[in-house]
Amino acid sequence: SQQGEEDPQALSIQEGENATMNCSYKTSINNLQWYRQNSGRGLVHLILIRSNEREKHSGRLRVTLDTSKKSSSLLITASRAADTASYFCATDEGGSYIPTFGRGTSLIVHP
Amino acid sequence: DAMVIQNPRYQVTQFGKPVTLSCSQTLNHNVMYWYQQKSSQAPKLLFHYYDKDFNNEADTPDNFQSRRPNTSFCFLDIRSPGLGDAAMYLCATSTRATGVSDTQYFGPGTRLTVL
Repeated sequence: SQQGEEDPQALSIQEGENATMNCSYKTSINNLQWYRQNSGRGLVHLILIRSNEREKHSGRLRVTLDTSKKSSSLLITASRAADTASYFCATDEGGSYIPTFGRGTSLIVHP
Repeated sequence: DAMVIQNPRYQVTQFGKPVTLSCSQTLNHNVMYWYQQKSSQAPKLLFHYYDKDFNNEADTPDNFQSRRPNTSFCFLDIRSPGLGDAAMYLCATSTRATGVSDTQYFGPGTRLTVL
C-alpha cells in the first residue's frame, strides 16, 4: 500500500532557484526518508529524519518534518541542472522496517 | 565502485519465456529486496530476504520467484512473463538496525521488455 504522497507531481524551475517538494502521509511514523532517482536508474538515499526531529540538513538539502500535520518537505537550494530527477519520500508505515514509497515528484532544472 | 550490481541492465524476452534477473552486492548487507517499478509509479516491493528468511508480499503474483543462494547474490525469476510484467526491476540492500527504517542501497535496475 502507498503511504506517502508527494506534491507537486512535477516541478520545473531554472538553475539557481530553490525547489520545494512536499510529502504527506496518513499514519504515524517513526522515520521518513527521501530518495532521488535519476532517469532510468536506481534510487539513491538522500536523508532520513526521525519522528522526534523537526529539521535536518545535508549540503544543499533541507528536510523538515511536521508530525502534527503528517507532512514533510524537501528543499533543494540553489538548484543545478544535475538535480533533475524524481524525488520520493518513503515512510515506515505501521512501524515496518521497510519504507513504503510515494509516487514521487519529477523535478526538471533548466540550465 | 559499484556496490549493488544488477545484470543484465536491459533484458528482452518473449511472452511466456522464463527469465532470470540477477543482483549482487559487495556491502555484506543482510537484507536484499526486489522491487518492480513501472513508468511514473512508485517502486512496488515484490519480496525481500532478511538473511535467509524469505518474505513475500501478499500481492506478488506466483509468477515471480526469488532465490538467495548466499549473502551476496539474489535472483528474480519470472516464470512466464506477460506483457504486464514489462517494467524496471530494482534490487536493493540494507543492513537492518533495531528501531530504524531500513536505509536502502539500490542497484541501477534491469529494464525488462516483453515482446
